[in-house]
Amino acid sequence: GQNIDQPTEMTATEGAIVQINCTYQTSGFNGLFWYQQHAGEAPTFLSYNVLDGLEEKGRFSSFLSRSKGYSYLLLKELQMKDSASYLCASMDSNYQLIWGAGTKLIIKP
Amino acid sequence: SAVISQKPSRDICQRGTSLTIQCQVDSQVTMMFWYRQQPGQSLTLIATANQGSEATYESGFVIDKFPISRPNLTFSTLTVSNMSPEDSSIYLCSVLLREPYEQYFGPGTRLTVT
Repeated sequence: GQNIDQPTEMTATEGAIVQINCTYQTSGFNGLFWYQQHAGEAPTFLSYNVLDGLEEKGRFSSFLSRSKGYSYLLLKELQMKDSASYLCASMDSNYQLIWGAGTKLIIKP
Repeated sequence: SAVISQKPSRDICQRGTSLTIQCQVDSQVTMMFWYRQQPGQSLTLIATANQGSEATYESGFVIDKFPISRPNLTFSTLTVSNMSPEDSSIYLCSVLLREPYEQYFGPGTRLTVT
């Protein structure tokens, strides 16, 4: 079957590091996406992983383990503007995306 | 990357009427998707609209209710037909770029049906 799970909400402190986890079960797995979505706005593409390992883009990094069906998004040096929902989505071999429900990240000063 | 625009950005419509949403992309893309999103919820895929083929609808969505056109590689429309208040939502178009895979969303159309 197709399933994807991520925590509903997380809280972190400005300047700290937070890791948002995502587990998936996807037939014909063809990669995993992470998106950021501020309230009232469209999702913004952050990363795509298809190979195992960590990919870094500035303050954001994304990790994938295909054997474990697991990914995480790591946010460093948190800023207040990072308060948003973070969506993970796995892609199958037909280029269909299966979406998680999103993790609402709250940053406190 | 891709820059996507949508029209209208928002509309308030009466029950029983139809609204056509336009999606324009600044580059040629094969794979385009239409989603809707209720406030505070995740994205729900309505259909895949690849140029050169009929749109493929997800379970719960039918062509009579949500007809889609994809006349070329930079443009698509989604019509919400015979609207009811349950159709009130944000409608988003999206494109998938390949190698490397990146997916971009339009700014969305906020639809309210009264």
